Amino acid sequence: DAKTTQPPSMDCAEGRAANLPCNHSTISGNEYVYWYRQIHSQGPQYIIHGLKNNETNEMASLIITEDRKSSTLILPHATLRDTAVYYCIVRVLGSSNTGKLIFGQGTTLQVKP
Amino acid sequence: NAGVTQTPKFQVLKTGQSMTLQCAQDMNHEYMSWYRQDPGMGLRLIHYSVGAGITDQGEVPNGYNVSRSTTEDFPLRLLSAAPSQTSVYFCASSYSTPGQSGNQPQHFGDGTRLSIL
Repeated sequence: DAKTTQPPSMDCAEGRAANLPCNHSTISGNEYVYWYRQIHSQGPQYIIHGLKNNETNEMASLIITEDRKSSTLILPHATLRDTAVYYCIVRVLGSSNTGKLIFGQGTTLQVKP
Repeated sequence: NAGVTQTPKFQVLKTGQSMTLQCAQDMNHEYMSWYRQDPGMGLRLIHYSVGAGITDQGEVPNGYNVSRSTTEDFPLRLLSAAPSQTSVYFCASSYSTPGQSGNQPQHFGDGTRLSIL
C-alpha cells in the first residue's frame, strides 16, 4: 500500500470548513483513498473513501486531484466534536492481503470556539 | 444497532495471569481483526479472521491466541500476560476482507484498556 504524508496538526475555528490535506504521490491506479478519524479514547471511525472522483457523504467531502497524488478531506462546518486525529490511508482493491489498515501519525485537528 | 462491542473496557492484570478480551459484532460481518495501539507506534494488527473457523496472524501475534467459532464473536486470549502487553486493544470488523471483493470500510469497537503490572 502506498505511503501517505499528512501535516501533524491543524487548527480550525468552530463553524468554519476544515480542510485536511494528504499527499500520496506513489499511489497506484487501483488504490483507494480512505479517511478515518480517532476521537480521544474511542476507536477509529470510518469517514469516507474514494478512487478517482470526488465523494461526499453526511460527514465530509473528499476531493482527489486529477493525478491522484493528493487529496483533501473537507469537514464543511467543523464543530468542537470534530476535534480528533484524522488518518489518510491508501489501499489496493483486489489484492490478497491481511486487510490490515496502515495508520500513520495522522493529523491532529483542533477545533477552537 | 450495537455495531462492534468490546468487553471489558478496562482491565488490570498481574504478570503471568491469563484473560480473554471479548469482541462481538451484530452486522453479520465476515472479516474481524484485533489491533493494539501504543504511543508512537500507531495501530498494529495482531490477528485477523476472514470467516468462522478461519484465523491468521497479523504483524504482532506473539503472546496472543484467537478463535472464531461463530461469525459474531472473535475473542482475543492472553495466555500469560506480560508488561509489554500493556496497551489499548481494538477489535474491528467489515463485511468482507478489506481490499478484496469490494472496498468495505472497517468498523471499530471502543477498545479495551489493559494494564499489566
